[in-house]
Amino acid sequence: GQNIDQPTEMTATEGAIVQINCTYQTSGFNGLFWYQQHAGEAPTFLSYNVLDGLEEKGRFSSFLSRSKGYSYLLLKELQMKDSASYLCAVEGVDTGFQKLVFGTGTRLLVSP
Amino acid sequence: DGGITQSPKYLFRKEGQNVTLSCEQNLNHDAMYWYRQDPGQGLRLIYYSQIVNDFQKGDIAEGYSVSREKKESFPLTVTSAQKNPTAFYLCASSIRGEHEQFFGPGTRLTVL
Repeated sequence: GQNIDQPTEMTATEGAIVQINCTYQTSGFNGLFWYQQHAGEAPTFLSYNVLDGLEEKGRFSSFLSRSKGYSYLLLKELQMKDSASYLCAVEGVDTGFQKLVFGTGTRLLVSP
Repeated sequence: DGGITQSPKYLFRKEGQNVTLSCEQNLNHDAMYWYRQDPGQGLRLIYYSQIVNDFQKGDIAEGYSVSREKKESFPLTVTSAQKNPTAFYLCASSIRGEHEQFFGPGTRLTVL
């Protein structure tokens, strides 16, 4: 079976740091994506983790532990424009096809 | 300027009518996907196509149909058999064998 869990909603203050967690149980695992989605818009790619450890990209970092089935997205120096939903997606393999299974998303609200 | 286009952004239809959602990409991507997004749920895969003239059912294909006659185009038809068609529909594409999927702006379908 496939199960991906992330918190439904989080709030934080401008300038702060926030960590969005994602735990997963999937039948296959190639890697894990994080996407950002503003309301009513398309998801946009943030990060892709294959190996254990932390990947840093500007204000955003993503961590993966394959043995624990756990990832987090770390957002630093929060800005108002970071208010969005953050989608965790696990990439598996289904009959040769690289399939993405998405979590329900975490809605982040950044306040002044 | 390459990208994925979906039209229209908002679509209204009466119950019992079939409706076709457009998805076009000029990224020269081989693979294309259709997802459905409902409030409080993650993106769910409807259909995918890895090459022209070939497509496969995703997790929630019932009540939907697709075609892939051209590499650039992957239209989705929502038929009257789909019990709950009102949703936000997202099209995506990727280079075959590559991990990242690029998303279109989405079409919000409302069935009255």
